[in-house]
Amino acid sequence: DAGVTQSPTHLIKTRGQHVTLRCSPISGHKSVSWYQQVLGQGPQFIFQYYEKEERGRGNFPDRFSARQFPNYSSELNVNALLLGDSALYLCASNPRGSAGSNQPQHFGDGTRLSIL
Amino acid sequence: DQQVKQNSPSLSVQEGRISILNCDYTNSMFDYFLWYKKYPAEGPTFLISISSIKDKNEDGRFTVFLNKSAKHLSLHIVPSQPGDSAVYFCAARPEYSGGGADGLTFGKGTHLIIQP
Repeated sequence: DAGVTQSPTHLIKTRGQHVTLRCSPISGHKSVSWYQQVLGQGPQFIFQYYEKEERGRGNFPDRFSARQFPNYSSELNVNALLLGDSALYLCASNPRGSAGSNQPQHFGDGTRLSIL
Repeated sequence: DQQVKQNSPSLSVQEGRISILNCDYTNSMFDYFLWYKKYPAEGPTFLISISSIKDKNEDGRFTVFLNKSAKHLSLHIVPSQPGDSAVYFCAARPEYSGGGADGLTFGKGTHLIIQP
């Protein structure tokens, strides 16, 4: 079975531009989360979507937005790019069961975004 | 304020010996804990998890121990193999409520190096 797939693999943008990153979850997984990982740090939670609704948001500015489509794939959008947005952007999916169920998130290989 | 701390940036262990990776957390609401392994140019791979109702979980060569009173968990790898050389991340989240977010909080990671 295919894992979490992300596109593109690498991307170079300049300051002030806009970027859209894409993610397809594991088949059957309805929850998608986005993380930002800068060099030397652990992944930092940006958003979570479940059943096309935002279910959680980390401490990121409004320049960051996301959405989830009926097929559970997702897009992360970042506007007015800053040098500090250079990072590895990771997408994760999990089945998301009923309250009390613990399901690990499974990650894609990420999109490496470089801002010049 | 770092809620998940991995205080050892790197750890070197001889092949065949035990590797012990440590993780401390400060948020008493954390209820579910995970370990991920990451190779360069790949996304984090789920290894093992533990919920707060248990103090130990074992899967093959990997065992995770949880000490809730000390807010400490550790990952034991026995025996260590060359392929275990990677960055290991500890992650945690509060109890899953069924409707809210279950975004993970990560530590900064520990780079494990297995020496032949």
